[in-house]
Amino acid sequence: DAKTTQPNSMESNEEEPVHLPCNHSTISGTDYIHWYRQLPSQGPEYVIHGLTSNVNNRMASLAIAEDRKSSTLILHRATLRDAAVYYCILRSSGNTPLVFGKGTRLSVIA
Amino acid sequence: EPEVTQTPSHQVTQMGQEVILRCVPISNHLYFYWYRQILGQKVEFLVSFYNNEISEKSEIFDDQFSVERPDGSNFTLKIRSTKLEDSAMYFCASRIQGGGNQPQHFGDGTRLSIL
Repeated sequence: DAKTTQPNSMESNEEEPVHLPCNHSTISGTDYIHWYRQLPSQGPEYVIHGLTSNVNNRMASLAIAEDRKSSTLILHRATLRDAAVYYCILRSSGNTPLVFGKGTRLSVIA
Repeated sequence: EPEVTQTPSHQVTQMGQEVILRCVPISNHLYFYWYRQILGQKVEFLVSFYNNEISEKSEIFDDQFSVERPDGSNFTLKIRSTKLEDSAMYFCASRIQGGGNQPQHFGDGTRLSIL
C-alpha cells in the first residue's frame, strides 16, 4: 500500500470544526482512502472511506482532492470524545492488511 | 451494533509459558486479522485468515505464533513460548467479504504482560 503523510499532532477547541489533512502523492488508481481512529485504551475504529468523491457519514466527512494526492477528514463539531489518534490509510482491492503509520494525535480543549 | 469481542482484557503470563488470546468476530464476517501494538508504538499487522487458512502473515508472525478458528465462531491467537518482547496490546479484527472498500472492525484488545 502507498505511503501517507500526516501531521504528528493537532489541537482543536470543543464544538469547533476540525480538518485533519493527509498527503498521499503516490496513490494508485485503485487505492481507497480509509480513515480510522484510536481512542485511548481502545482498538482502532473505522471512521470513513472514499475513492474519488467526497463522502459523508454520521461520524465525519471526507474531502478528496481532485488529483487524489491528498484528502482531509472533517469533524464538523469536535467533542472531547473525539480526542484520539487519527490514521489515514490507503487500501488497494483484495485482502491486504491495514498498514498503520503514526497518525495525527488530536487534542480537544474544553 | 455488532462488535468484535476479545477475552481476556488483560493476561499476565510468565516468560516461556503458552498463552491463547481469544476473539469472537462479527458473525457474518469472513476475513479475520490479528494486530499488535507495543506500548507507545504503531499498530502492526501479524496475520490474516480466510477460508480456514492463513492468507498473509508478517515477519513478526514466526513459528511461535499460530491461529485457529476452532468452532466457527472463535478466532484464537496462540503464542507457544512467550518472550518479554511479546508484551503488547493484541487486537483482533474482522471484515465482511469484499474488496478494499470494506472496513475492518476491531475489538478493544487484550493487554498481554510477560513477566
